[in-house]
Amino acid sequence: SQQGEEDPQALSIQEGENATMNCSYKTSINNLQWYRQNSGRGLVHLILIRSNEREKHSGRLRVTLDTSKKSSSLLITASRAADTASYFCATDALKGGTSYGKLTFGQGTILTVHP
Amino acid sequence: NAGVTQTPKFQVLKTGQSMTLQCAQDMNHEYMSWYRQDPGMGLRLIHYSVGAGITDQGEVPNGYNVSRSTTEDFPLRLLSAAPSQTSVYFCASSLLQGISGNTIYFGEGSWLTVV
Repeated sequence: SQQGEEDPQALSIQEGENATMNCSYKTSINNLQWYRQNSGRGLVHLILIRSNEREKHSGRLRVTLDTSKKSSSLLITASRAADTASYFCATDALKGGTSYGKLTFGQGTILTVHP
Repeated sequence: NAGVTQTPKFQVLKTGQSMTLQCAQDMNHEYMSWYRQDPGMGLRLIHYSVGAGITDQGEVPNGYNVSRSTTEDFPLRLLSAAPSQTSVYFCASSLLQGISGNTIYFGEGSWLTVV
């Protein structure tokens, strides 16, 4: 079963609105990462948040992590049509203090931003 | 610096044929991996490697072989293609994760259809 589960599965908003995507996971993690995938392309890394961090910002992106609830959220502020893509969370499970990048991906959220 | 390069981009195979998906990275990354992406399933790890001469199975290894004779290359072999292997395949690489985590870089994907 998937370690990371995103919701909603699909999100449709207007340009200028904020988009929030959530990710839940099951086991203790080393870090959690968010990736973006444009249609027909590979995944592109957006942001990484470590298990001892609670919030991280990068431009219009804001990621939060709540390890007690095993959940994370990705907020895109002032969305643009170019933000239309699928967004995936990926967890790096903690094993003896080290992991080898065996990221486990969720099913993704399809974000559509209408001009 | 080309990043992660996958070939071919598109391939159609007949059931029972074998083929190799090539993956090369020029970032001197120790860690390389192969994922498959199916609709509604997110990305699932097939095989991974933490260095030349070292490979291990991921979540869905059956029907696939890998080898890592050099740091740069990590080919994925389909031994006897089946329609269930119709998917999009992504190669990825990163530095070893360690406790701090590292960005994973993805190739552009290989679309494989088995008829």
